Amino acid sequence: NAGVTQTPKFQVLKTGQSMTLQCAQDMNHEYMSWYRQDPGMGLRLIHYSVGAGITDQGEVPNGYNVSRSTTEDFPLRLLSAAPSQTSVYFCASSYRSGRDNEQFFGPGTRLTVL
Amino acid sequence: ELKVEQNPLFLSMQEGKNYTIYCNYSTTSDRLYWYRQDPGKSLESLFVLLSNGAVKQEGRLMASLDTKARLSTLHITAAVHDLSATYFCAVDIFSGTSYGKLTFGQGTILTVHP
Repeated sequence: NAGVTQTPKFQVLKTGQSMTLQCAQDMNHEYMSWYRQDPGMGLRLIHYSVGAGITDQGEVPNGYNVSRSTTEDFPLRLLSAAPSQTSVYFCASSYRSGRDNEQFFGPGTRLTVL
Repeated sequence: ELKVEQNPLFLSMQEGKNYTIYCNYSTTSDRLYWYRQDPGKSLESLFVLLSNGAVKQEGRLMASLDTKARLSTLHITAAVHDLSATYFCAVDIFSGTSYGKLTFGQGTILTVHP
């Protein structure tokens, strides 16, 4: 199993550009989520999905869109990038039911918006 | 709104010494996770604590959970340099459809020196 994979690893955007961060998992996990990590603030939940076709907002959803057409993929879209979106983005997945719902994190995408 | 606070945020330890990292959270939850993060890397799951009084140990690390006090501790015994990293606690809350909405503490940067 590859686990949780993310592409790209690094990205530089100019203000106003759009892009999609890719996330895929091969563990047949129902639950997938996106977090951003900023210095001194831990990780904050952006959006999450409990299954294909179902998404919801987390703590910091503004400026980001998601969709979930398959169990395996959960892309995160930045419609018009802003410098405040400079951050490291992590995708995570887990089983939806079950005792511990331990989340597995991808390697991250480091995004810089100029 | 759920708040998760860790202390200390910075911890400089001598090899061979013991210390404890504290994780306090503001609302009822029975699921708490500890993660380790090395610089530039993703999050590695250390412990999953699911019930009041839960205690788990792995090597020189031991984690415990007191849901009544809303407190988890990560105890480090006889620290070694390899334990230098950032440690996060994260509290899981039920969204109405599933668990998986993690709220993270700010992280504790641990440095172990000779």
